[in-house]
Amino acid sequence: DAGVIQSPRHEVTEMGQEVTLRCKPISGHDYLFWYRQTMMRGLELLIYFNNNVPIDDSGMPEDRFSAKMPNASFSTLKIQPSEPRDSAVYFCASSSRDSSSDNEKLFFGSGTQLSVL
Amino acid sequence: AQKITQTQPGMFVQEKEAVTLDCTYDTSDQSYGLFWYKQPSSGEMIFLIYQGSYDEQNATEGRYSLNFQKARKSANLVISASQLGDSAMYFCAMRGYLYNTDKLIFGTGTRLQVFP
Repeated sequence: DAGVIQSPRHEVTEMGQEVTLRCKPISGHDYLFWYRQTMMRGLELLIYFNNNVPIDDSGMPEDRFSAKMPNASFSTLKIQPSEPRDSAVYFCASSSRDSSSDNEKLFFGSGTQLSVL
Repeated sequence: AQKITQTQPGMFVQEKEAVTLDCTYDTSDQSYGLFWYKQPSSGEMIFLIYQGSYDEQNATEGRYSLNFQKARKSANLVISASQLGDSAMYFCAMRGYLYNTDKLIFGTGTRLQVFP
């Protein structure tokens, strides 16, 4: 399995530009999470999906942020317009839960390092 | 509501020794899962170990074990026979499976330094 795939790995953009981050979860996983990591705030949950449906977006900072999951194999996180304070590492993670064993595997992508100048 | 607390911002351990990284949690859920992740300087988040709240035995994965004390709401990570490559940030995380609708939240992390 290729794992969770995120693109791009690095993104440098100017303030005011639109930024789109992409994520392909592990096949068969029914949950997808978007996180933002900064030194000041640590790992923040932005939004998560279950079976392609957004469940909780209370962590999305403001209306400039939006996320979609049009199908089970693809999700996007969009920032429009971007601001310097959005600079961070953005992680996508996916999981499945085996209810019969109460075991869970939850894996992260490599992250997207976003720099807004 | 859910909360994860990691009180050790940094820890030092000598190579080949064991080290315990502390994690306490609070949740209104009866069913929940606890995770530990390692983040080396390269930045990726590496899954280490998982413990379900109804698991009676402590989880183990190679040199990693999770000391789960449900009554104390603690889920400490024990790394045995530390190696230089274990130097990294370690994050404890939790998912509540009922009232908290599967939200996964993280602690602030502990930076572990292994010295020769």
